[in-house]
Amino acid sequence: DVKVTQSSRYLVKRTGEKVFLECVQDMDHENMFWYRQDPGLGLRLIYFSYDVKMKEKGDIPEGYSVSREKKERFSLILESASTNQTSMYLCASSIRDRAEQYFGPGTRLTVT
Amino acid sequence: AQKVTQAQTEISVVEKEDVTLDCVYETRDTTYYLFWYKQPPSGELVFLIRRNSFDEQNEISGRYSWNFQKSTSSFNFTITASQVVDSAVYFCALSEDPASGGSYIPTFGRGTSLIVHP
Repeated sequence: DVKVTQSSRYLVKRTGEKVFLECVQDMDHENMFWYRQDPGLGLRLIYFSYDVKMKEKGDIPEGYSVSREKKERFSLILESASTNQTSMYLCASSIRDRAEQYFGPGTRLTVT
Repeated sequence: AQKVTQAQTEISVVEKEDVTLDCVYETRDTTYYLFWYKQPPSGELVFLIRRNSFDEQNEISGRYSWNFQKSTSSFNFTITASQVVDSAVYFCALSEDPASGGSYIPTFGRGTSLIVHP
């Protein structure tokens, strides 16, 4: 079974803090994704990566950055957290030429 | 541009009722894929099914069945004899064909919240 893990299920940070969300997959998938999920807005793609050290902006990259130094790990960084970044963050991975994604359990981030 | 519409925001049923979740999509591609995911209260989206645009056969897996109709651009999901454990948000998604050079990033609908009461 594909396993995607995220470093925290719940996280509370203060405005202005730098926040790291980590995602690790164990199935040697080439593609990795970060989404945020908000009520009424569905899933919105923040960034994705199709290879080590490669990254592409999604639909809402502002205020976020990412890092992919190893194939299995994809990090989402909030350089200076703001209250409007309070959300559920979901990491996903997929095989290179397949679109079905496998998701982690999510991190519910609260910024106060 | 691709689009997925799940018009039902929330559905509430009583256990053992059958329920159908609607999904309507728009795409200009001739080859594409459709998906359903389940997100239980725990939060993790679980991949349920993938269908390609050339395969219009209905699929059944236990109490779950999927009805793909190209003529109406719909890919509906039916749960027979619903159970409380079926309570979740269900997402329909659409993608191009990555093997043909299309994007491997799916377009998700906004989800339908299914509540099954005991």
